[in-house]
Amino acid sequence: AQKVTQAQTEISVVEKEDVTLDCVYETRDTTYYLFWYKQPPSGELVFLIRRNSFDEQNEISGRYSWNFQKSTSSFNFTITASQVVDSAVYFCALSEAKSLGGSQGNLIFGKGTKLSVKP
Amino acid sequence: ETGVTQSPTHLIKTRGQQVTLRCSSQSGHNTVSWYQQALGQGPQFIFQYYREEENGRGNFPPRFSGLQFPNYSSELNVNALELDDSALYLCASSSQGLAVYNEQFFGPGTRLTVL
Repeated sequence: AQKVTQAQTEISVVEKEDVTLDCVYETRDTTYYLFWYKQPPSGELVFLIRRNSFDEQNEISGRYSWNFQKSTSSFNFTITASQVVDSAVYFCALSEAKSLGGSQGNLIFGKGTKLSVKP
Repeated sequence: ETGVTQSPTHLIKTRGQQVTLRCSSQSGHNTVSWYQQALGQGPQFIFQYYREEENGRGNFPPRFSGLQFPNYSSELNVNALELDDSALYLCASSSQGLAVYNEQFFGPGTRLTVL
């Protein structure tokens, strides 16, 4: 069965600190996708990144970086020099690959990590 | 390009009633997925509609049903509401095609409260 675990329920940091959000996943599929979404208080899920299971290169986008390690089934997210605007709930999610001509796999979410960045 | 929209924004119902939530998919998208997000939890997949037919379903009872219309908009219907149905209902649209992966774009959600 597919499962996503975000062990950190809440994290509180002071502005400019670096923070890492952990994500561990379980799947028997050899091809799958991993995601991070941000959910501000407004409720809308904002897509941050998608990685496929064959691409273990770490990625950096501005203050955001992602560390994908298949050996430990982890896909961690680091925010460098955090800002108050980063305060939100962050979700890690997993999706199976779409079968050729078949349906798009649904997203399986973790329970989320609430990040509070204080000024 | 118009994003995913959902209506209504908020809704209050009483136990036993029926509710219909609506979703307009993003322009060019032909697939709609619905998710339920209880307070403090991650979204859970309810079902997906593609070409007006249900195309995958999560672990939800039959009183959760849906429709997709020729313009790809969708409705989520919940009968015999229970208190535990109180949640944020999220709609996501995507475009089924030849691409290896089709990104899902989420709407702002409908917050349903069952009293």
